[in-house]
Formats: sequence, structure tokens, C-alpha cells
Amino acid sequence: RKEVEQDPGPFNVPEGATVAFNCTYSNSASQSFFWYRQDCRKEPKLLMSVYSSGNEDGRFTAQLNRASQYISLLIRDSKLSDSATYLCAVNSLTGGFKTIFGAGTRLFVKA
Amino acid sequence: GAVVSQHPSRVICKSGTSVKIECRSLDFQATTMFWYRQFPKQSLMLMATSNEGSKATYEQGVEKDKFLINHASLTLSTLTVTSAHPEDSSFYICSARTENYGYTFGSGTRLTVV
Repeated sequence: RKEVEQDPGPFNVPEGATVAFNCTYSNSASQSFFWYRQDCRKEPKLLMSVYSSGNEDGRFTAQLNRASQYISLLIRDSKLSDSATYLCAVNSLTGGFKTIFGAGTRLFVKA
Repeated sequence: GAVVSQHPSRVICKSGTSVKIECRSLDFQATTMFWYRQFPKQSLMLMATSNEGSKATYEQGVEKDKFLINHASLTLSTLTVTSAHPEDSSFYICSARTENYGYTFGSGTRLTVV
């Protein structure tokens, strides 16, 4: 089982739609959680950190469920420019401090 | 702030040659640099963690003699792919942890071995 798993998609949604991604992690000792956005053939860019209390940044909402070991990302009012691959990332101290990435979920927003 | 400059962005080399990739932290000191590899439509896979002034820590399955990492200063870490083969063709990317900006990535190096 992979340490961090995501549905690869693709998710094809119309502009204005709400779309949600989930990501599960296997290491219960994981400490911090992030969502990154990666455009084609580019480096990932931090979208937002994920806190236990949940956090929101404009149209984006991230939540963490430690009991079930998953994090989620909700995008409201999707824009064409939201089309990208969304990677979840999990930090843990097991075996040394490291960040493990999911394989990413591809999102296509269409007009 | 917190920029990591990675060079080259793209390189094509012949089988058997070596390629060096550099990552520089421009406005902060990176005591630790993470090196990842990403194959098409796959996840970023951590290859190794380099620490300034000490030996790098390699992930299981990554050949330390093939992927040489040097982190001689607080602002420079290098990855050298030695005796490259076509299966080494991939997107290589470095990342450093910063004080206030989380993890910052270099812009990546697309290596093609022919």
C-alpha cells in the first residue's frame, strides 16, 4: 500500500462547479499536511497547508481527518485556470524528516 | 522570498555521460535539500535528502553511486547523474524547507538521455 494515495482522476467539470478531492495516508505518525498544485511540466507550488481545524483560502477549503487518516480539498466556483494536477503531501518523522507526495489528481475545468 | 534556483531546466545527454544539476537557495540558507524524481503521470518520488556538510541520506532503491549528491554550502546542493542511461530520463526537482514559506521547489530539470 502506498503511503499517500489519491484518486488520479481525471475530474472533468464545468466552470462554476464545486469539486472535491480526497487523499489518504497510511502513517498515523504523520505530522503536517499540504496541498500542492502542479501545472504540466512545471514544479509543484504550495496551494495551502491543512490544519486539524480546517482552513479556507478564497474558493479553496482544506480539511484533515486524523481519525480516518485523510485530507480533502474542496474547490468552489471552479475556474478554467484551476485546471492542473493537485498533489497532497504528508510530512512525517519516520525514518527521518521527509515529505511524501501522492501521485496527484488531475482536474480539467471546461467552459 | 524563499526562492530556489535550479539549473539546467532542460538537458539532453548521451548514454554513458554524466549530468550535474544545481539547486541554489537565493535568499535563505538551506541546511537541507530534498531531491525528487518524477516520471510522467506519476508522483514525485523522494530520492535523497542532502544536509549541508554531511553525507546525503538516500531512499531505499536509489543508488548512491549513481546519483551523487553534494551539499557543500548552505546555498548550494548538486545532484550528479553518473553514467546516465535512457531509463534515467525523468523530471528531477529539488526542494528546501524555508522559515516561513513551507517547502519551496526549484523549477525542475527535465533530463533526456539518448
